[in-house]
Amino acid sequence: AQSVTQLGSHVSVSEGALVLLRCNYSSSVPPYLFWYVQYPNQGLQLLLKYTTGATLVKGINGFEAEFKKSETSFHLTKPSAHMSDAAEYFCAVSDEGGGSNYKLTFGKGTLLTVNP
Amino acid sequence: EPEVTQTPSHQVTQMGQEVILRCVPISNHLYFYWYRQILGQKVEFLVSFYNNEISEKSEIFDDQFSVERPDGSNFTLKIRSTKLEDSAMYFCASRVTGTAYEQYFGPGTRLTVT
Repeated sequence: AQSVTQLGSHVSVSEGALVLLRCNYSSSVPPYLFWYVQYPNQGLQLLLKYTTGATLVKGINGFEAEFKKSETSFHLTKPSAHMSDAAEYFCAVSDEGGGSNYKLTFGKGTLLTVNP
Repeated sequence: EPEVTQTPSHQVTQMGQEVILRCVPISNHLYFYWYRQILGQKVEFLVSFYNNEISEKSEIFDDQFSVERPDGSNFTLKIRSTKLEDSAMYFCASRVTGTAYEQYFGPGTRLTVT
């Protein structure tokens, strides 16, 4: 069974500071990994994904994440936070397995607040 | 840009009543999903649907739940007899087949059971 752990339910940063949101996963097969963002009263929007290939993936709005197999991690970073980044961020894992429905298993989410 | 839509945005119902939540997936997508998020908890998988049948369901998806794609565009989730613990945000998602693995989510329907 797959699982996702997001360390820190709430992260607060100053505008312009580095954003680091942590995600660790557990999967019995090579995982596909995703970060989604949820703005207030909106649905889940895909930020970035890792499936195969380059382990550093870039997403929208200046975010990137690095897949580290040895650490079973997929942390999300952004060099300089902007006020508009304030939202809830969800890490998710999907199994690769042939014929799989690629259902997503989510972490509990991390609420990011950005202080002026 | 194509998007997944869901109606209604908020539904209030009494315990024991039936509700139908509606979703219109992106038109060329072939896999469809329902997830739910109870307030303060993580987003949980309910069911996946492909080729006009359920392809996988979670333990949550018991006999009170059903899904249907009645007309080739809508994708519905029915809860036959709602319970207080069914109160949650319900998200619909869809995905193309092949190598595009990401799912596109709708804005959700907030279901409140009183």
